[in-house]
Amino acid sequence: DAKTTQPNSMESNEEEPVHLPCNHSTISGTDYIHWYRQLPSQGPEYVIHGLTSNVNNRMASLAIAEDRKSSTLILHRATLRDAAVYYCILRDDGTASKLTFGTGTRLQVTL
Amino acid sequence: NAGVMQNPRHLVRRRGQEARLRCSPMKGHSHVYWYRQLPEEGLKFMVYLQKENIIDESGMPKERFSAEFPKEGPSILRIQQVVRGDSAAYFCASSTEAGTDTQYFGPGTRLTVL
Repeated sequence: DAKTTQPNSMESNEEEPVHLPCNHSTISGTDYIHWYRQLPSQGPEYVIHGLTSNVNNRMASLAIAEDRKSSTLILHRATLRDAAVYYCILRDDGTASKLTFGTGTRLQVTL
Repeated sequence: NAGVMQNPRHLVRRRGQEARLRCSPMKGHSHVYWYRQLPEEGLKFMVYLQKENIIDESGMPKERFSAEFPKEGPSILRIQQVVRGDSAAYFCASSTEAGTDTQYFGPGTRLTVL
């Protein structure tokens, strides 16, 4: 799986939007961009994924750059329950199924 | 629809004992993955199984660790002769398909080796 680069940590105020960036300059044409998060003392949780177009679901939005070398996970209104480590992961369609976790971004949300 | 279940949630073993970690995938899921998270470190893939078959064990330590996913019953991760360095959180995930299908994770088993 191709490598991703994320900031180690970010802070946000509650009720404000959060933009979590991810760089993946070596992404290949068949790599999907997946985001998972891990809340304290819990297992990882799927957030969202996409290939080329921007994606929205009930949890978040995923904005993918036109050249696909970067993406941004958007939490529209952060809450205290969104405090977690967020992982950006590339997965090659049709090949190995394992998830390769990097160090992720630790998001702190304050009142 | 129950999620991925893991038991026990906490397991304490003395050095040299065996540890058995169980994972029941979500209903309808036939693909199971095991990951390990050492203290203050990231999640590392260990093994991927599909009913009765090991598909990818590239992350499994060569000795003392084994995994199975029988036709009936949960997937088992077995660690023989545990050492202090095996202390970690072990997470199981399941999916309906392989490839880029979403993986659903269990709450994990926290193994402590005394």
